[in-house]
Parts: sequence; structure tokens; C-alpha cells
Amino acid sequence: DVKVTQSSRYLVKRTGEKVFLECVQDMDHENMFWYRQDPGLGLRLIYFSYDVKMKEKGDIPEGYSVSREKKERFSLILESASTNQTSMYLCASSFGTPPGEQFFGPGTRLTVL
Amino acid sequence: GQQVMQIPQYQHVQEGEDFTTYCNSSTTLSNIQWYKQRPGGHPVFLIQLVKSGEVKKQKRLTFQFGEAKKNSSLHITATQTTDVGTYFCAGPDYGGSQGNLIFGKGTKLSVKP
Repeated sequence: DVKVTQSSRYLVKRTGEKVFLECVQDMDHENMFWYRQDPGLGLRLIYFSYDVKMKEKGDIPEGYSVSREKKERFSLILESASTNQTSMYLCASSFGTPPGEQFFGPGTRLTVL
Repeated sequence: GQQVMQIPQYQHVQEGEDFTTYCNSSTTLSNIQWYKQRPGGHPVFLIQLVKSGEVKKQKRLTFQFGEAKKNSSLHITATQTTDVGTYFCAGPDYGGSQGNLIFGKGTKLSVKP
């Protein structure tokens, strides 16, 4: 059974903290994605990666960075968390091109106080 | 830029009534995907349509891809409480790198028993 796992289901951090969200997939997918989901705004792409050490900015990359040192792992980093980054963060992965089915992780609900 | 729009944003139905959500793209798509997200869950892939005019059925769900490959619809016959959730359509992002999808904002379906 294919799987995308995320390091935490719920996370509470303080303003200014550095936050790491980890995502691991076991399907040998080339592509990995980080989205944030807010009510009424749908899924907004933060960053994605189509290969190890490769990354591309999505629609809302400001305040975030990513790391992909291994094919199965894609990390989202909030360098200095702010309250407007309180959100649900979803990781997804898929095979290469053309864009195939995306498999999503369970999500991390991050609250920044 | 490329956009994928969905209507309606919300739909409340009585159990047993039919439901339809519509998806429109600003560009011609090579394929379109549909996802369902249950309350508290993550998006799960339902189906992909590839051919112009294609119609696919999954039990009570009927998916259509328009002749011009710029619009799609999902129709649920005789809704049940298990249909509750948010339905997203998504198409390939031609402005970005390979492997990326653009998601509509989703239609949130609630079903009154």
C-alpha cells in the first residue's frame, strides 16, 4: 500500500521559531510537493521538487524553504514562524511527467502563537 | 496566468438529491483529475480523464471531460451522507515545471440526512 507520511499531525510553535516539517514517501516518486490549505483558499502550492536536490517555487514560497537530500524525503522549513503561517500543511508525491495522480500525506496542522 | 475554477464553492443537499460540481480551465488541458477530501482528511485521488468528451462512471459518480478539454464536471446521483467532503479538480500546470498540477478551490458538499 502506497504511503506518504508526515512527521507530525499537530504542531504548536511560537513566533520566531524555526520549524521543520518532514515528509517521507515510499513509492519511489520523482515529484514531491508542499501545499498549505486554508478555508476558502483551496490548496496553494508552496514548493515542489522533481528530483533530488532540485526545487522550484510554487505560488506562495515567501517565508518558506525546502530541502530534498534523498528521493524519499522532502522537508519544509519555516525559517522564522509567524502567526500568518498557522495553517494545514499537506505533502504530496507523484511520478514524473505528465503529471500523474498525487498521493497526499495526512497533513500537519501547525499553530503559531 | 493559468487558472482552474470550480463552482459552486458550497453545496448543501438533502440525502437522495443529486449533486454536480463544475470545473473550468483557462487553458486546454491534456487531462483532468478529480480528488475528494473528507472532513478532517486529506485529498484522495478519484479519477483522471484524458480524452475529449470522455465520460467515466464510478458507482453513483459520473465524471465528464468537455469536448474542448477546458471543462469538466462531477455528478453524484442520489447523494448519501458518505459523499460529504470537498471535491477538487486539478489540471497540469503548463506554466511551471513538469509534474505540477493546478487545483481548483474545491466544492464543499454537505448532505442532510
